[in-house]
Amino acid sequence: QSALTQPPSVSGSPGQSVTISCTGTSSDVGSYNRVSWYQHLPGTAPKLMIYEVSNRPSGVPDRFSGSKSDNTASLTISGLQAEDEAYYYCISYTSDITWVFGGGTKLTVL
Amino acid sequence: QVQLVESGGGVVQPGRSLRLSCEASGFTFSSHAMHWVRQAPGKGLEWVAQIWGDASNKYYADSLKGRFTISRDNSKNRVDLQMNGLRADDTAVYYCARDGQGLAPYSMDVWGQGTTVSVSS
Repeated sequence: QSALTQPPSVSGSPGQSVTISCTGTSSDVGSYNRVSWYQHLPGTAPKLMIYEVSNRPSGVPDRFSGSKSDNTASLTISGLQAEDEAYYYCISYTSDITWVFGGGTKLTVL
Repeated sequence: QVQLVESGGGVVQPGRSLRLSCEASGFTFSSHAMHWVRQAPGKGLEWVAQIWGDASNKYYADSLKGRFTISRDNSKNRVDLQMNGLRADDTAVYYCARDGQGLAPYSMDVWGQGTTVSVSS
């Protein structure tokens, strides 16, 4: 199972919006609404930000939103804040009854 | 509070075995599937394995099948990862994570801090 495709890096200024894409295939992202997103700072535990494509766990700011179209899921962060600077990973369930992560995207807040 | 604590990491020679453990607390352990996820140095997250709450089903990343075995003991609130035939590219931080089930379906909503495995001669 090949990793989902994410851009290696994205950046934005405080207050702006950024979108991180996560492209898979019809065997994973395209077939299931079982895509979730995680924020990860090196040396810490990853944090769930979005589950089932577009649902936010309690405690996650509504600046974070998710969507999906065909084989591509997206995470949008609006009103960027310095504290949002981190790595972001998507993961999807697959038709092989396994899970596959994206390669990760480093978000830089300028 | 809900917590996962991994242990068992260390330095091991290529070809040897290592068993990682993850102790859970603060929730009904048997109600949740559990995952292992790893991150090699300078690399992204990689899903390793999943085990259902009743241990009736186990799933593995294709690249690891046959070498790694996931298991759990619900009486001890613990999930393990037995790693055999270790290779240098198994060097990573290994995280255990709780499957969100009804709270956050099809996601990993609670993570441990990770345990580091280094495979080196």
